[in-house]
Amino acid sequence: EADIYQTPRYLVIGTGKKITLECSQTMGHDKMYWYQQDPGMELHLIHYSYGVNSTEKGDLSSESTVSRIRTEHFPLTLESARPSHTSQYLCASSELGTSGGFVNEQFFGPGTRLTVL
Amino acid sequence: GQNIDQPTEMTATEGAIVQINCTYQTSGFNGLFWYQQHAGEAPTFLSYNVLDGLEEKGRFSSFLSRSKGYSYLLLKELQMKDSASYLCAVRDGDYKLSFGAGTTVTVRA
Repeated sequence: EADIYQTPRYLVIGTGKKITLECSQTMGHDKMYWYQQDPGMELHLIHYSYGVNSTEKGDLSSESTVSRIRTEHFPLTLESARPSHTSQYLCASSELGTSGGFVNEQFFGPGTRLTVL
Repeated sequence: GQNIDQPTEMTATEGAIVQINCTYQTSGFNGLFWYQQHAGEAPTFLSYNVLDGLEEKGRFSSFLSRSKGYSYLLLKELQMKDSASYLCAVRDGDYKLSFGAGTTVTVRA
């Protein structure tokens, strides 16, 4: 079944640790995105990719980095976690364009709730 | 960038109709989306408008006026399971989405 997966779902970690949040999709989508969402607040785009070896920073400044070595995989890494990184991180994917009248909506993974102590 | 405004909260009774408004100011427009997000879960796609007018999908309808920078999501025959946050999002020319803060709808029996 085509889907988008994120692991771990919940992570509690101490300050200064390096962490990687995993995101994989089986829909063959070219575009992938990382959002950060605090409770009751809007989703903020922190990284996106249009395909393999393509990564861009989003509208919200983030100390995280991403890589896109395979189409289906878009991990996010924090080299040194801090309490200010505590948030929900959502990964999403979509088709490349809107040719043929397709909507090309973004599909979201279940999210990773990160707490940095 | 985009500036997107929607009400914070709305409350309605089961079986009623609720209309959630969204206004936006855009530096590029390539469609407007509505997503539903239950507490602690991922957003799920509800509707999409790129041309002016009304799009109907079962109990949910969405309207767009590009000249006014305005959209609304209409939820009919409300059910308890419709209690959720509803997110308005505008897509720009680079296919990036900018989201509003969401409207929390509470359905009461």
